Amino acid sequence: EDQVTQSPEALRLQEGESSSLNCSYTVSGLRGLFWYRQDPGKGPEFLFTLYSAGEEKEKERLKATLTKKESFLHITAPKPEDSATYLCAVQGYNDYKLSFGAGTTVTVRA
Amino acid sequence: NAGVTQTPKFQVLKTGQSMTLQCAQDMNHNSMYWYRQDPGMGLRLIYYSASEGTTDKGEVPNGYNVSRLNKREFSLRLESAAPSQTSVYFCASTPTVLSGNTIYFGEGSWLTVV
Repeated sequence: EDQVTQSPEALRLQEGESSSLNCSYTVSGLRGLFWYRQDPGKGPEFLFTLYSAGEEKEKERLKATLTKKESFLHITAPKPEDSATYLCAVQGYNDYKLSFGAGTTVTVRA
Repeated sequence: NAGVTQTPKFQVLKTGQSMTLQCAQDMNHNSMYWYRQDPGMGLRLIYYSASEGTTDKGEVPNGYNVSRLNKREFSLRLESAAPSQTSVYFCASTPTVLSGNTIYFGEGSWLTVV
């Protein structure tokens, strides 16, 4: 069974203080690893899909990287509007669904 | 560009009552899902529909039924609500399962069973 573990559970940052979120996973054949952002009272909003080890993708202050066992979401010089819960999910090669981690809640103080 | 639309947004039910959550997508996607989200547990799949006319159980199907009414609509029914079904429910869609395509989520339905 696919497993996804995210750490830390919560992260409090000062504006401009860069940091990284971790997503460790086990899956029998990775079809894709997904990062979502979720604001309070909203549905998950798609950020990135990574398909193979070594792949990297960037969007504004966010950069996602992938190895064979984990993915990192790097937040560079965060702003208060980056405050959200970040969800990691994997899809195995024969899976019809995404398996989600519990998320990391990021709070950025001005 | 509505994407995935869910109704209702909020609902309070008494134990034993029934209700249906409605979901519609306007992206011409073949596959649709119902997830529930509970604190500290992540999103868990209840049911999915790989294509119009098919439905299959996910991780936590007990107490729920679904109907894929047409390509656009996928509803989730609670026949006899229980307090354990208090949760946030998300409908989602994707072009095709087993493809690695992005899965798009609706805004959620907050359900409280008292």
